[in-house]
Amino acid sequence: GAGVSQTPSNKVTEKGKYVELRCDPISGHTALYWYRQSLGQGPEFLIYFQGTGAADDSGLPNDRFFAVRPEGSVSTLKIQRTERGDSAVYLCASSSLDRGSYNEQFFGPGTRLTVL
Amino acid sequence: QKEVEQDPGPLSVPEGAIVSLNCTYSNSAFQYFMWYRQYSRKGPELLMYTYSSGNKEDGRFTAQVDKSSKYISLFIRDSQPSDSATYLCARGTGTASKLTFGTGTRLQVTL
Repeated sequence: GAGVSQTPSNKVTEKGKYVELRCDPISGHTALYWYRQSLGQGPEFLIYFQGTGAADDSGLPNDRFFAVRPEGSVSTLKIQRTERGDSAVYLCASSSLDRGSYNEQFFGPGTRLTVL
Repeated sequence: QKEVEQDPGPLSVPEGAIVSLNCTYSNSAFQYFMWYRQYSRKGPELLMYTYSSGNKEDGRFTAQVDKSSKYISLFIRDSQPSDSATYLCARGTGTASKLTFGTGTRLQVTL
């Protein structure tokens, strides 16, 4: 079946601009996660949705970052007034939460954001 | 101190070698550990998961957790060029929890 998809695959923008990154999770997965991966680093948690609501947004670095999941499926990560330090690969993952005591997250290919 | 620490490598081994990849962790609470493999310009994919102690084997891969030393290991037997990737260890604490990742170790298996 289809995996997690993310669009666009690449996004180049100028400092100060607004960007939106989209994630389509695996159909039926109730949990959705956003991570950010800087060059040479592991993914860093940003936010987690259970259904339509943000269950944990403790990883969002500041109020320029915002994410929504209005219908409990597709999610959009929004970054206002982008800064060069926002350049990274933004990964989305989804989970069915049916593995019992561990959380198997399925990752998309990521959106590579470059802020000039 | 980071929750999960991992040597970034790179690590280069000849085809057929046994590879040992390692992480250390700092928290003693209930948790599980996962190993993800990430090919260049792709998302991570889950290889294995283990709970707080013991070994788990799956084909050429063995995951090991040493609770006393807070050490997590992934062993790859008979390594292949197709195993060349970045290997990420990750820690989770609940059914729906976020994952905390190490830096990742870049592995190159040469012919």
